[in-house]
This record gives sequence, structure tokens and C-alpha cells, in this order.
Amino acid sequence: EADIYQTPRYLVIGTGKKITLECSQTMGHDKMYWYQQDPGMELHLIHYSYGVNSTEKGDLSSESTVSRIRTEHFPLTLESARPSHTSQYLCASSRRTNEKLFFGSGTQLSVL
Amino acid sequence: GEDVEQSLFLSVREGDSSVINCTYTDSSSTYLYWYKQEPGAGLQLLTYIFSNMDMKQDQRLTVLLNKKDKHLSLRIADTQTGDSAIYFCAESNNQGGKLIFGQGTELSVKP
Repeated sequence: EADIYQTPRYLVIGTGKKITLECSQTMGHDKMYWYQQDPGMELHLIHYSYGVNSTEKGDLSSESTVSRIRTEHFPLTLESARPSHTSQYLCASSRRTNEKLFFGSGTQLSVL
Repeated sequence: GEDVEQSLFLSVREGDSSVINCTYTDSSSTYLYWYKQEPGAGLQLLTYIFSNMDMKQDQRLTVLLNKKDKHLSLRIADTQTGDSAIYFCAESNNQGGKLIFGQGTELSVKP
């Protein structure tokens, strides 16, 4: 059973606020990912990490930043939220490259 | 670049079989996946197939892979209303193990 958790589940926030979306996994996976999904649209990779102190930009440009100080934790931060950041953010992890991903339940972010 | 294409909608009657199709462009794909997303929820891995396989069956799910045509399909036998969801096809390439997702197919099951 996959053990990957995202908090908060829903977040409604005003423009200009700094927010951090949390993602934690207890499987000891080295690879972690953040995907962004707009309603009815495909998933886009925005950040990924191969392990501690490794972070890379994904295919879709994003104003968010990530950090990987611990294996189990991969938070995503927006320094100044804008309405264009309204979306669903999905965190995922995998044990190795090309192995199946396990996804969290997602954070639905609404920026007013 | 790599691309994954799916039809956007599929509607079936309860008890019928559903077939969701997917095409991809990356010939170096190693794994191909099917994920299910229920409304407001995250993605759930349904099944996956390694690129050197032609078929994989798991209870009501059958995955067919035509590597020559780069075509992947998911067949759901005896479709139930609980199968109504968005189904994403994805492939992993050799560039860092990232998954490339299709747009998702919304499956609607009518009683």
C-alpha cells in the first residue's frame, strides 16, 4: 500500500501570500515529483528530485520552488501566490527511475 | 518531443466492456501505465506493462500493447458505475524516468 501524503487537501488563499504545499512519503523512495493539473487537462511535471539535495525543473515552467532536505519530504513553495497558480498539485514518488509512481491525493489550490 | 494522445470521452452502458485507447511517440519507452482519477482525488495506479510485453491481464483489466504502432489500450470487462473516472495513459522514457501523461479519457458508465 502506497504511503504518500499531501497537505493541505484544499487551500483557498489571497493573492500575494506565501504558501507551502507539503508532501511526505514513508516508503524510502529516492525519486519524488510534483505535477500540476488544471481541470480537465493533462498532468504536467513541474519539479522532480532524485534524492536529498537534488532538485530539477520539470517540463512545465513554474514559479514555484522545491527543496529536498530529507528523503521523505518534498515541499513546494510559492513565494507570492497569484490567481494563475490556481490548480491541482499532485506529488508522487518512485523507488527507481522508470518504476511506477505512487501519487498523493493532491492539493487543490485556489488563489483569489 | 515525446507525446501521448488519448481520446477525451467514452460512454458505455453498465455491464458492457470499455476500451480506452492511447498512442505515444517515444520508441524508447520502457514502461507504460494506466492511472485512474476519480473526481477530486489523486491518481491511482491501475496497472502497467513493460515494453517487451504484448498483453497483461489483471482481473477485469486487460492491457494490450502494440509496440510497432505505439498503441496501448485498456479494456475493462463488465464495466460498473464505479468505474466512472478519468483514465490516464502514461509512458516513462529514459530521460530521468519522468512520466509523460496523456490528456486523460473521461469514462462515463450509464446504468
